[in-house]
Amino acid sequence: EAGVAQSPRYKIIEKRQSVAFWCNPISGHATLYWYQQILGQGPKLLIQFQNNGVVDDSQLPKDRFSAERLKGVDSTLKIQPAKLEDSAVYLCASAIAASGVSEQFFGPGTRLTVL
Amino acid sequence: AQSVAQPEDQVNVAEGNPLTVKCTYSVSGNPYLFWYVQYPNRGLQFLLKYITGDNLVKGSYGFEAEFNKSQTSFHLKKPSALVSDSALYFCAVRDGGNTPLVFGKGTRLSVIA
Repeated sequence: EAGVAQSPRYKIIEKRQSVAFWCNPISGHATLYWYQQILGQGPKLLIQFQNNGVVDDSQLPKDRFSAERLKGVDSTLKIQPAKLEDSAVYLCASAIAASGVSEQFFGPGTRLTVL
Repeated sequence: AQSVAQPEDQVNVAEGNPLTVKCTYSVSGNPYLFWYVQYPNRGLQFLLKYITGDNLVKGSYGFEAEFNKSQTSFHLKKPSALVSDSALYFCAVRDGGNTPLVFGKGTRLSVIA
């Protein structure tokens, strides 16, 4: 079974530039998550999708971050404009259902460096 | 709101010795508890979970964890550590239902040959 795919793996940009990350979840997984993992910390949920609808985006900085999952499969996360404090690893995860008992499967992440 | 504490930033253990990585949690309802492991340049991998039932949960790679409701703990254990177990370990909790998964800050395990 193929895992969660993410691209790019690494990205370096200057502050105030924009950047986009892509995620392809495991086939058949209805729930998709984006996390931000700052160095030395655990992942923090940014947004959760159920199919193509947003379930939870309470921790997404909406003035600069946006995400979409138009067809209920692939998802993109965008930052515009980026700030220095956005330097982090952005992890995508998927689960077969939104139920609390379902474990999440994580992609390798995109390491973003903002200069 | 739910929270997780991993009191140790680093745990060092000799190969062949038992290992314990500590985790305590705080929730208002019933906890759903998870352990994940992260190897360098790779995403988090699921190890095990506690939802309900037997307090001792067995997972991947010989790991197990014991749920202790009175101490609000969910420590990860392995009887005999391997050098290949060296990685970053994260404990996570959900406050039942469809609440967000909240992670601890992680504990780096180093197994020395």
